[in-house]
This record gives sequence, structure tokens and C-alpha cells, in this order.
Amino acid sequence: AQSVAQPEDQVNVAEGNPLTVKCTYSVSGNPYLFWYVQYPNRGLQFLLKYITGDNLVKGSYGFEAEFNKSQTSFHLKKPSALVSDSALYFCAVRVNYGQNFVFGPGTRLSVLP
Amino acid sequence: DTGVSQDPRHKITKRGQNVTFRCDPISEHNRLYWYRQTLGQGPEFLTYFQNEAQLEKSRLLSDRFSAERPKGSFSTLEIQRTEQGDSAMYLCASSAGGNNEKLFFGSGTQLSVL
Repeated sequence: AQSVAQPEDQVNVAEGNPLTVKCTYSVSGNPYLFWYVQYPNRGLQFLLKYITGDNLVKGSYGFEAEFNKSQTSFHLKKPSALVSDSALYFCAVRVNYGQNFVFGPGTRLSVLP
Repeated sequence: DTGVSQDPRHKITKRGQNVTFRCDPISEHNRLYWYRQTLGQGPEFLTYFQNEAQLEKSRLLSDRFSAERPKGSFSTLEIQRTEQGDSAMYLCASSAGGNNEKLFFGSGTQLSVL
């Protein structure tokens, strides 16, 4: 069965510093990996995805993520955090034969001014 | 493209009552998903439609839950004989199809069962 783990419930970072939000996954096929962000009172919004090819993918708002097959990880990164990045971040996985997206439990990012 | 809309935004009901939620996906999207999210958790898959066909249902979806998408456009999710454990945010999402297509989510319907 597919599963996604986000080992940190909360990540705190100072504005201007680099940020990393961790994600590891478990699937039995080739994974399609996604990051979504949820702002208060808003629906989940797509940030970026990895399907195949270059292990470093770039997405919206300056975010990027690195796919590491040997470590089954897909960590979200940003070189310089903004206060406005404070939100709930979800990692999700989908296998290439399935229709269902499986989401992780989420990580709350707080960027402190 | 007006986005995915869900109605109502909030629903408060008494235990044992039936409730129905509506989702209007992005008009050209043929795939529609229902998810449930509780506080501190990620969205949990409930069911998925391609056009009007319900192709997948989670084991989380008990026989009190039913979903329809009669004309391949809007969808409804009905919960019969609600229980307090049904209290959650019910999310709808749509996509244009393809296994690598991203989901577009609505703002959700918050259900509170008293």
C-alpha cells in the first residue's frame, strides 16, 4: 500500500533563511510525487510535482523539491523563506497505475520575522 | 475557469440526520475526487469519478455514504444517519485527467455533527 510520512509536525524558520520540509514515501510502483500548500480558510493549492527526469523540480513561489529514489524522499526546499510562506504543507504520492492520491499528515511551517 | 466550488461552506446537523454536499468542478475537468480531512491530518481519499462513472471507493466509505455525478458535471456526497465521527472537512477536487495531472481543490464543506 502507498503511504507518505512527514516526520515533522512543525517547522520554524527565520525570514530570509533557507527552509526544508521533509517527506518520505512508500510505494510499490513508480511514484508521482506532489507538494500542496494550504493557507488558512483556503483550499489546497498545487506547488510542484515530480513525474520523471531531473531529480530537482521547481514550482510556484520559489519552491523546489528534490527527488531521491534511494532514500525514497521528496523534500521541499526554498532558499530564502518569507513570512507569507507560513502555511500547512502536504506531500502526496500517486503510483502510475492508480487513481488515488495519498497525502501525508502535513507540516506546519512558521516563518518568523 | 471559476475554480472548484463547494456548497455549503458549513453544515451543522444533529446526529442521525442526513446531509448532502455539492461540488461543482472546473468545467472541462473529467475527473472528480472527494476527500475528508480532520484536524491535524492530511486529506483522506473517499471516492473518485471519471465523468459520470464512480471508479474507485475507499474502504473508509461506509454504506451510509453515497456519491453521485449524474451528468459528469457536478457531484453530490450524501451522508445518511450522521454520527459524531463524521465531523470533518469534506473536500472536493477535480483534474483534467492523466496520471500526472494536478488536483484543483475547493474550499471544502465543514461538517459538525452534534
